[in-house]
Amino acid sequence: AQSVTQPDIHITVSEGASLELRCNYSYGATPYLFWYVQSPGQGLQLLLKYFSGDTLVQGIKGFEAEFKRSQSSFNLRKPSVHWSDAAEYFCCLNTNAGKSTFGDGTTLTVKP
Amino acid sequence: NAGVTQTPKFQVLKTGQSMTLQCAQDMNHNSMYWYRQDPGMGLRLIYYSASEGTTDKGEVPNGYNVSRLNKREFSLRLESAAPSQTSVYFCATDSGRIAYNEQFFGPGTRLTVL
Repeated sequence: AQSVTQPDIHITVSEGASLELRCNYSYGATPYLFWYVQSPGQGLQLLLKYFSGDTLVQGIKGFEAEFKRSQSSFNLRKPSVHWSDAAEYFCCLNTNAGKSTFGDGTTLTVKP
Repeated sequence: NAGVTQTPKFQVLKTGQSMTLQCAQDMNHNSMYWYRQDPGMGLRLIYYSASEGTTDKGEVPNGYNVSRLNKREFSLRLESAAPSQTSVYFCATDSGRIAYNEQFFGPGTRLTVL
């Protein structure tokens, strides 16, 4: 069975600092990987996705993620965090059959 | 376009009461989903509908029923609410249950069962 692990429950960074959110997955076939963001009181919104090709994918709001098959990871990065990035972030894996498995989420706090 | 809408936004129930959560989408998507979100547990799939006229159980279906009324609408019913069903409920859609499709989410319904 597939699984997604986000090792960090909560991360705090200063505004303007760089950010990396970790995501590890377990799946026996080619994974289809997504990062979603959930602002307070809102539903989830897609940031970026990977399913083939270049292992570094660009998303909205200046985010990027790198797929590393050897490490079973799909970490999300941003070079300079803005206060509006404070939110909860979810990594998601889709199987070949389209079944989605979400991680437990990482809450990002941004200090002024 | 409204995207995915959910009603109500908030609800408080007493144990044993029933209610229906409504979801509608104007994205012309085939597939619709109901998730619950609990602190520290990510999103867990309750039921989904791959297309109009079909529904299937997800990871945590006990205590819930669903109806795919038409292509646009997918409702979730709690027949006899229990405190364990206190959660945030999200409806989501995609154009088909295919690996590379992302899902589009509604704003959620926050349900408290006393």
